[in-house]
Amino acid sequence: EAQVTQNPRYLITVTGKKLTVTCSQNMNHEYMSWYRQDPGLGLRQIYYSMNVEVTDKGDVPEGYKVSRKEKRNFPLILESPSPNQTSLYFCASALQGANIQYFGAGTRLSVL
Amino acid sequence: DQQVKQNSPSLSVQEGRISILNCDYTNSMFDYFLWYKKYPAEGPTFLISISSIKDKNEDGRFTVFLNKSAKHLSLHIVPSQPGDSAVYFCAASVSNFGNEKLTFGTGTRLTIIP
Repeated sequence: EAQVTQNPRYLITVTGKKLTVTCSQNMNHEYMSWYRQDPGLGLRQIYYSMNVEVTDKGDVPEGYKVSRKEKRNFPLILESPSPNQTSLYFCASALQGANIQYFGAGTRLSVL
Repeated sequence: DQQVKQNSPSLSVQEGRISILNCDYTNSMFDYFLWYKKYPAEGPTFLISISSIKDKNEDGRFTVFLNKSAKHLSLHIVPSQPGDSAVYFCAASVSNFGNEKLTFGTGTRLTIIP
């Protein structure tokens, strides 16, 4: 089954404790992206990658890191999480170009 | 600066009637528009799209209309069914050789009343 898989689905952590949210897609897509969804703000792009070893900042990249060492994986790293990073996070992938993207089920993160 | 706006946070429609969801945008460079649907505890799923060279695109019960002069698009669902209850996001992008960036609206929660 074609899918984008994020783990974990739920995460509660404390300020400053490094964490990684994994994202994997099995569709051989070149494009991958991370979004956060916050009430009243819709989906905002954090980082994206057009291909292996190519990443770029989205609208809200501060406090996040990403890497794209393999085509299928695109982890999101929070080196020192803060409470304002409490949010619902989505990973997405697309074949080429970024228009029709396939989303993972989401990771709900709470930073205390 | 919200470049894509969905001014109605919620909408309730009787089953069988037409649902109309609206979206306005400010960036005249946008040339591709999409609607995504999101159920609770799931990621958004692509629903329908339209290029700026068209003013209408139909897919079954779903039709998207684009009014470029008004910078407005709308999604019509006819007839509305209970399974259509979800949050709907409109999104827009500028063609950029595969490097398109999607800008999303804030979403409209549609509730279909049986």
